[in-house]
Amino acid sequence: KQEVTQIPAALSVPEGENLVLNCSFTDSAIYNLQWFRQDPGKGLTSLLLIQSSQREQTSGRLNASLDKSSGRSTLYIAASQPGDSATYLCAVRPYSGNTGKLIFGQGTTLQVKP
Amino acid sequence: DVKVTQSSRYLVKRTGEKVFLECVQDMDHENMFWYRQDPGLGLRLIYFSYDVKMKEKGDIPEGYSVSREKKERFSLILESASTNQTSMYLCASSLPGVGTAHFGPGTRLTVT
Repeated sequence: KQEVTQIPAALSVPEGENLVLNCSFTDSAIYNLQWFRQDPGKGLTSLLLIQSSQREQTSGRLNASLDKSSGRSTLYIAASQPGDSATYLCAVRPYSGNTGKLIFGQGTTLQVKP
Repeated sequence: DVKVTQSSRYLVKRTGEKVFLECVQDMDHENMFWYRQDPGLGLRLIYFSYDVKMKEKGDIPEGYSVSREKKERFSLILESASTNQTSMYLCASSLPGVGTAHFGPGTRLTVT
């Protein structure tokens, strides 16, 4: 059974720091991996999607990498800002037909202090 | 941009009531999903649908049912609400294949 783990559960950093969030998964048979951001009490916003054939994706200050063979992904945030404070979730889409089901990690709650 | 909307942001219902949560997407996506999110448990899949009138149980379908009469609309039904169904409910949609999943803003349901 696919399991997704995110470490750490919470992280507090001063503004301006570069930081890395980690995501690991137990079964490498995935279509893709997606990183989301969730603000308190809100829905999920998609940040980056990495297909299984890709190694990384970049959007602005965000860079996500994928090492499918080792079951790991990282989300790198450069020059962090207070507005980056949120919970970050990773989710994998396992091979299971064409349904698009996602399996989520528990998330990392990030606080960036001014 | 894909837009996924949910009928209510906040909802308060009494135990035993029948509750309908509505989700609408405007991008002609085949796949639609209902998740619930609880502290310490993360997001768990309740039901999903990959076509009109097609549905499959997710990981925690007990106490819920769904309806998909039109492609753009996916409804979650709590036949007889209970206090353990107090939660944040999130709807999502995606294309078949390897596309991005898009989520709605969520409905915070409280059952008293």
